[in-house]
Amino acid sequence: EDQVTQSPEALRLQEGESSSLNCSYTVSGLRGLFWYRQDPGKGPEFLFTLYSAGEEKEKERLKATLTKKESFLHITAPKPEDSATYLCAVQANGLISSGSARQLTFGSGTQLTVLP
Amino acid sequence: DAGVIQSPRHEVTEMGQEVTLRCKPISGHNSLFWYRQTMMRGLELLIYFNNNVPIDDSGMPEDRFSAKMPNASFSTLKIQPSEPRDSAVYFCASNLGSGRAYNEQFFGPGTRLTVL
Repeated sequence: EDQVTQSPEALRLQEGESSSLNCSYTVSGLRGLFWYRQDPGKGPEFLFTLYSAGEEKEKERLKATLTKKESFLHITAPKPEDSATYLCAVQANGLISSGSARQLTFGSGTQLTVLP
Repeated sequence: DAGVIQSPRHEVTEMGQEVTLRCKPISGHNSLFWYRQTMMRGLELLIYFNNNVPIDDSGMPEDRFSAKMPNASFSTLKIQPSEPRDSAVYFCASNLGSGRAYNEQFFGPGTRLTVL
């Protein structure tokens, strides 16, 4: 069974204080790892997809990295508007009984608060 | 681009009543997903459709839940009869399909369901 564990559950940072969020995963074979941002009262918003160990993606103050067992979301010099819950999800290789691709398994998220 | 549209945004009902949630995916997207999000269990996939056909409904909790997609621009998730433990936020998401380049899912704003 695919498993995704995110840590910490909650993180409070001062504006400008860089840090990292962790996503550990267990899958039989990784097809892709996804990072989403979710603001209160809204649906998750796609940030990145990573496909293979060693891959990195960047967007503004965010950089996602991937190893064979975990992914990190690095936040450099965060601002209050970066406050949100960050969700990690994995998609495993292989097909389900209907012959279709397996779908995403989400972690429980890290709630990030950036104080001004 | 209007994004994924869900209605209603909030629904309060009494135990035993029928509840119908509605979703309009992004035009041109051929996969549609229904998720449920709770504090205890996080974001869980209930069912997904590809080209209007249900592909994987293994996440549907029990027979009280049913989903349909009569055409490419509309889907419903029905709960009958509803129970207090069904209280959650229900998200609909869509994407272009199951190919590697198209795994990014676009989420709607969600329907917050409260069953009294």
